[in-house]
Amino acid sequence: LAKTTQPISMDSYEGQEVNITCSHNNIATNDYITWYQQFPSQGPRFIIQGYKTKVTNEVASLFIPADRKSSTLSLPRVSLSDTAVYYCLVGDHGGGFKTIFGAGTRLFVKA
Amino acid sequence: EAGVTQFPSHSVIEKGQTVTLRCDPISGHDNLYWYRRVMGKEIKFLLHFVKESKQDESGMPNNRFLAERTGGTYSTLKVQPAELEDSGVYFCASSQVGLYGYTFGSGTRLTVV
Repeated sequence: LAKTTQPISMDSYEGQEVNITCSHNNIATNDYITWYQQFPSQGPRFIIQGYKTKVTNEVASLFIPADRKSSTLSLPRVSLSDTAVYYCLVGDHGGGFKTIFGAGTRLFVKA
Repeated sequence: EAGVTQFPSHSVIEKGQTVTLRCDPISGHDNLYWYRRVMGKEIKFLLHFVKESKQDESGMPNNRFLAERTGGTYSTLKVQPAELEDSGVYFCASSQVGLYGYTFGSGTRLTVV
């Protein structure tokens, strides 16, 4: 199982762009990279998923280099409500049913 | 569409008692997963159903845990007898083949005293 490494925490201010990088050196050929967001007392919420290059949706972008050993979640202009824990997972197309959730990155957005 | 529903949201039981957690996945989702986070630790996979069949239960900690998914709809996770170390938050998630990511429920916070 591919294990991921992320920064434990990050601070930002409202309106800034936030980039969270995740390392997954042992990613397998058929693994996808999926990011989740979790607020207190809630389950993780799917943000974005990609396999290679760049993926963008209405809330975030995901950058994946050619070797796929890392990925970067980019949140364009964060607000206070983006304060949450962000998890990077590597696994099957559905998000990795046995994928290991790491400790995640605790993002704190300040006014 | 309705999301993944879990209940109860909280449960406090005494050591040695039995507790049953329930998960209602999104209608039509064949895949159902159970995860849990024990105090201070990471979210860990417990098991995976495809419809009513257990696809993978390698994450189940021991035989005090029993998961079922009769008819391929809702699932239950029974802990019998509960121990103190079973305290934590139990999450259920569902997905459909070909769709991105999982949809998680809000979890059941289990406290064993």
